Amino acid sequence: KAGVTQTPRYLIKTRGQQVTLSCSPISGHRSVSWYQQTPGQGLQFLFEYFSETQRNKGNFPGRFSGRQFSNSRSEMNVSTLELGDSALYLCASSYTNKEYEQYFGPGTRLTVT
Amino acid sequence: GESVGLHLPTLSVQEGDNSIINCAYSNSASDYFIWYKQESGKGPQFIIDIRSNMDKRQGQRVTVLLNKTVKHLSLQIAATQPGDSAVYFCAENTGNQFYFGTGTSLTVIP
Repeated sequence: KAGVTQTPRYLIKTRGQQVTLSCSPISGHRSVSWYQQTPGQGLQFLFEYFSETQRNKGNFPGRFSGRQFSNSRSEMNVSTLELGDSALYLCASSYTNKEYEQYFGPGTRLTVT
Repeated sequence: GESVGLHLPTLSVQEGDNSIINCAYSNSASDYFIWYKQESGKGPQFIIDIRSNMDKRQGQRVTVLLNKTVKHLSLQIAATQPGDSAVYFCAENTGNQFYFGTGTSLTVIP
């Protein structure tokens, strides 16, 4: 069974630009969560989607948004990039009935210059 | 917000020895905890979980202990191997979202 996949794996953007990251969950998983990982802050929750609906949202500004498609694939978008947005963005998926067991993808390394 | 702390940022152990990684959490309402392992360049990998109605849970070479009285979680790795070298972090969930610690870097000395 294929794991969680994320594209692209690496991305370099300049301040002010916007970026879209993609996540394909494990087949059968309907819940997708996004996290930002930085050395200083660790893993911080961005948002969670289930059946195309955002169920939970972390404490990030409105520049961070996401969506989920009918096939459970998810995208997150960051607009007006800032230097502080440089981080590893991780996506995690889980089963409907075992929502706590999250399986992570390899992440997208975003560098903002 | 939640505070999930780790007692030590780094830990070095001799190959074959047992490793113990500790984690403190702040929310007594947290009812589910997970330990993750993250190797360089990879996403976090689920190791073992425990619910708040349990004190101990064992997996393959790993044991998680939960002390709700002092809000403390530990991960024990038996017979540590070089492949265990990674960053380990705990996560707590109150039913709404996960809060993660910043991690402990485990180095296994051959």
